[in-house]
Amino acid sequence: QVQLVQSGAEVKKPGSSVKVSCKASGGTFSSYAISWVRQAPGQGLEWMGGIIPIFGTANYAQKFQGRVTITTDESTSTAYMELSSLRSEDTAVYYCARGYCSGGSCYSRSLYYFDYWGQGTLVTVSS
Amino acid sequence: AIQLTQSPSSLSASVGDRVTITCRASQGISSALAWYQQKPGKAPKLLIYDASSLESGVPSRFSGSGSGTDFTLTISSLQPEDFATYYCQQFNSFALTFGGGTKVEIK
Repeated sequence: QVQLVQSGAEVKKPGSSVKVSCKASGGTFSSYAISWVRQAPGQGLEWMGGIIPIFGTANYAQKFQGRVTITTDESTSTAYMELSSLRSEDTAVYYCARGYCSGGSCYSRSLYYFDYWGQGTLVTVSS
Repeated sequence: AIQLTQSPSSLSASVGDRVTITCRASQGISSALAWYQQKPGKAPKLLIYDASSLESGVPSRFSGSGSGTDFTLTISSLQPEDFATYYCQQFNSFALTFGGGTKVEIK
């Protein structure tokens, strides 16, 4: 049974950074994609970016380019999302999600849908 | 980026009703579409992938259809546990994108 367990809620000041972790268990971590999706209060889902650990190259949504960094530690099956220059509009629940690659096998530029999700991490940005 | 437009944004229905939700893509995405269900305070749950394939463990009252730009999620007989918000997502090209959501409420 695949599980994604995220780190706890954070309260941050505007202009600071936050780093959220996502530890995977029950599957082959490196062979799937890991993405981060956020949801502002009362709003829809927004893909921020993702990475396929065995290839190591992340893809980011243009909106977050330069502000977000997604990394993985294969030794601990953990993914990280760091968002910098925080502003109030970044207040949201941040989810990690495992990406199942289209066609079944992942390649460096594979696209994917999300078959398992973490429980979410609330990040509040407030002065 | 490919835009996904869901309609309606909300609907009211009764237990036992047949419910249809539409997702339209701003350009053709073949069958690279997934559907998710989200309940308040919970993470989304995968229902359908590749436009019409039912995820393991999902009740057969859920079905998906379509290809190209027009897609449909159908719930054949709405159950109490189906009241939730539903999202489509395309995986035809980066950036991956979601529709705006359809909230299914109790009539």
